[in-house]
Formats: sequence, structure tokens, C-alpha cells
Amino acid sequence: EAGVAQSPRYKIIEKRQSVAFWCNPISGHATLYWYQQILGQGPKLLIQFQNNGVVDDSQLPKDRFSAERLKGVDSTLKIQPAKLEDSAVYLCASSLAGGIEKLFFGSGTQLSVL
Amino acid sequence: KQEVTQIPAALSVPEGENLVLNCSFTDSAIYNLQWFRQDPGKGLTSLLLIQSSQREQTSGRLNASLDKSSGRSTLYIAASQPGDSATYLCAVRGTSGTYKYIFGTGTRLKVLA
Repeated sequence: EAGVAQSPRYKIIEKRQSVAFWCNPISGHATLYWYQQILGQGPKLLIQFQNNGVVDDSQLPKDRFSAERLKGVDSTLKIQPAKLEDSAVYLCASSLAGGIEKLFFGSGTQLSVL
Repeated sequence: KQEVTQIPAALSVPEGENLVLNCSFTDSAIYNLQWFRQDPGKGLTSLLLIQSSQREQTSGRLNASLDKSSGRSTLYIAASQPGDSATYLCAVRGTSGTYKYIFGTGTRLKVLA
């Protein structure tokens, strides 16, 4: 069974530039999550999708971050414009239905904003 | 607001030792608790998931316990090996709202050969 796929693995940009991350969840998983993990901290939920609808985006900085999940499958997270404090690992995860199941994570995208 | 704490932040043990990692949470109204392993530069791998009605879960050399009333969970690793070196995170899922997971900051484990 293929896992959660993310790209790119690394990205270096200058502040005020834009960047996009892509995620393809495990086939059949209805729930998709984007997490931000700053060095030395636990992951923080940015946005949660159930199929192609947003369930929780309460911690997403909506003035600069946006995300979409077209057709309830893969998803894109965008930052525009980036700030220095956005330097982090962006993790995508999926689960079968968003209830009692385990979370499956991708390898993440490490973003450095200079 | 749920807060999850993991102590210690880092731990070094000799190979073969049995060890316990701790996780505490402030709100006992949880749906479940999950323990994850994270290797450097990698994503998280789920190790054990305990439902709120359960007291413990076991997988190989790993045993996780849950005491909801005291807001605590422990991850027991038997006969530790250098390959167990990683960061271990716990996460709790609430019973209201969007049921999102709140993560601890992790315990960085190093098992010395």
C-alpha cells in the first residue's frame, strides 16, 4: 500500500516570495490534514479536510496561507507572501474517516525562508 | 484548552535497558491517544492508538497505558535497541469540536550501543 506522498522535500525561498506544497493521501482516505512543525515543537494543525470540505482551519493564518483539496483527493498548501517565521516542516497526514483511526503521515516538506 | 506535556525532553540510555516515556494532558475528556515515532528528517509513524475506554495497548516491545482520570499516558519500551533512537510524540484527540489531535513536544531518545 502506497503511503502519503508529499513534494517537494525541501524548499528554500526568500521572504515575501510564494511557495506551494503538494500532498497525495493514501487511496480511500477521506480525511486530510496539513500540520506545521517548528523545530523542537510538536506538529500544529493548520487545516483539516473531510473529502473536499474544510472541517477545521481555525489555526490557519488566512491572510497568507491557503489550501485546497480538489475532488477530495490530493491537496495543495500555499504561502503567499512567506515570512521568516514560516520556516518549518510542513506535514501532510491522512486517515480513513477522521474518527478513531490512526493518522498516516508523509515525509514532510522542509521550508527555509531567508 | 487542552495542553499536552512530555517529560523529559531528552533521554539517553544504554542498550538493553527498559524505559518509560511520559505524556500528560490537562483535559481528561479525550476520544483517544496516539503515540508516534519521528526519525530525523522524516514524518511521524503511528506506534499505538489507545481508545478512551481502553487501559493499554501492546505491540511487540512497546506497551502504552492510559489513565484518563489522572491525565497521563506512558509508553514502555522493553529491552531498548539503538534502532529505537528517535523522537517519540504523544497526541490526544478531544471529544468535541472537530476532534483534532493536540501534540506534545516529544521526548528525544538515544539508545547507546
